[in-house]
Amino acid sequence: LAKTTQPISMDSYEGQEVNITCSHNNIATNDYITWYQQFPSQGPRFIIQGYKTKVTNEVASLFIPADRKSSTLSLPRVSLSDTAVYYCLVVFLGGNQGGKLIFGQGTELSVKP
Amino acid sequence: ETGVTQTPRHLVMGMTNKKSLKCEQHLGHNAMYWYKQSAKKPLELMFVYNFKEQTENNSVPSRFSPECPNSSHLFLHLHTLQPEDSALYLCASRRDSSNEQFFGPGTRLTVL
Repeated sequence: LAKTTQPISMDSYEGQEVNITCSHNNIATNDYITWYQQFPSQGPRFIIQGYKTKVTNEVASLFIPADRKSSTLSLPRVSLSDTAVYYCLVVFLGGNQGGKLIFGQGTELSVKP
Repeated sequence: ETGVTQTPRHLVMGMTNKKSLKCEQHLGHNAMYWYKQSAKKPLELMFVYNFKEQTENNSVPSRFSPECPNSSHLFLHLHTLQPEDSALYLCASRRDSSNEQFFGPGTRLTVL
């Protein structure tokens, strides 16, 4: 299973755009790139998922270059409530191993006023 | 609110106690998971169930015993735990056609 590397922590201010980059050099053809958000003492929550190019939803955008060895989660105009840990995962979709999540350390985002 | 509930939310137990954690979902999901999250450590996958069958045991000690009587319920039976087993235990479920997992709020377990 592909291993991911992302910064341990990031600081930002309210209203700024935050970009968190994740590297996944060993990503396989059938792997999807998925991001989760976790607040203290809560379970992680799915944010966005993509395979290639760009994906956008109401919460975030995900940019994936052609080689898929990295990805960038973009959070537009963050607020204090976006302070959380953000996890980048590569997920194999299919078969018995489908959906298996291997969590790394995540990126602890701190948004300041 | 993800649709996945866990009880109890907090549990304190001694090393000789036997207790059970419960997870429930009525989302129609067929895969259910137990994770452990210790302080300052990544979430660790413990067990995976697909259609009530255990498909993965991630080298979890036998003092943790999962049970999945149906696709909507998942239990984690605990006995003779150690203080280092204190952690947040998270349950998640997933629909077959998706790889998005829905997590419950977790049970905060403290072993004295």
